[in-house]
Amino acid sequence: AQSVTQLDSHVSVSEGTPVLLRCNYSSSYSPSLFWYVQHPNKGLQLLLKYTSAATLVKGINGFEAEFKKSETSFHLTKPSAHMSDAAEYFCVVIYLEGGYNKLIFGAGTRLAVHP
Amino acid sequence: GAGVSQSPSNKVTEKGKDVELRCDPISGHTALYWYRQRLGQGLEFLIYFQGNSAPDKSGLPSDRFSAERTGESVSTLTIQRTQQEDSAVYLCASSSAPGSNQPQHFGDGTRLSIL
Repeated sequence: AQSVTQLDSHVSVSEGTPVLLRCNYSSSYSPSLFWYVQHPNKGLQLLLKYTSAATLVKGINGFEAEFKKSETSFHLTKPSAHMSDAAEYFCVVIYLEGGYNKLIFGAGTRLAVHP
Repeated sequence: GAGVSQSPSNKVTEKGKDVELRCDPISGHTALYWYRQRLGQGLEFLIYFQGNSAPDKSGLPSDRFSAERTGESVSTLTIQRTQQEDSAVYLCASSSAPGSNQPQHFGDGTRLSIL
């Protein structure tokens, strides 16, 4: 069975400090993994994706994520948080089943950034 | 370039009324998805269209929900006899191909409030 677990529902950091948003997945298939960000009253914006190429994936706005198969993890990081990073972040697994794309969203992690 | 466009952005209606939500995908995108996002919860998959294939309706919560898409263009999500639990943000997404490594591009959503 496929599943996605975002280990923290809320993360709070100070501006300029590192960000770590954790995601673990369970998949019987070779998954494609994504991180999306959602700002208030907005749709989801793609941050980055892993599709079995390089295990360290760089995305927009200075975010990156590392795919670790041995740990079944795809944690999102950023060296230095900015106030504009405050938003909700979703880890997503996508796989093909029966000819359909199947998506599983994590429950989301709300990131707060303090001055 | 133009992204996924949804209308209306906000809809307030009385319980028992029918509502129709519209999604204009990115031009050329063959796959289209509808999701529901209730307050404080993650995304809930509703329905998936891929080209002219039969849609994956496995996420529709009841027979009051239906969706249509003509070819690879506009989609409408219809909710009949609305109930208060239908209040949510309805998000539409499109992707360029059915492969699991294709990211989805999201609209800003329609915020539906049932009085």
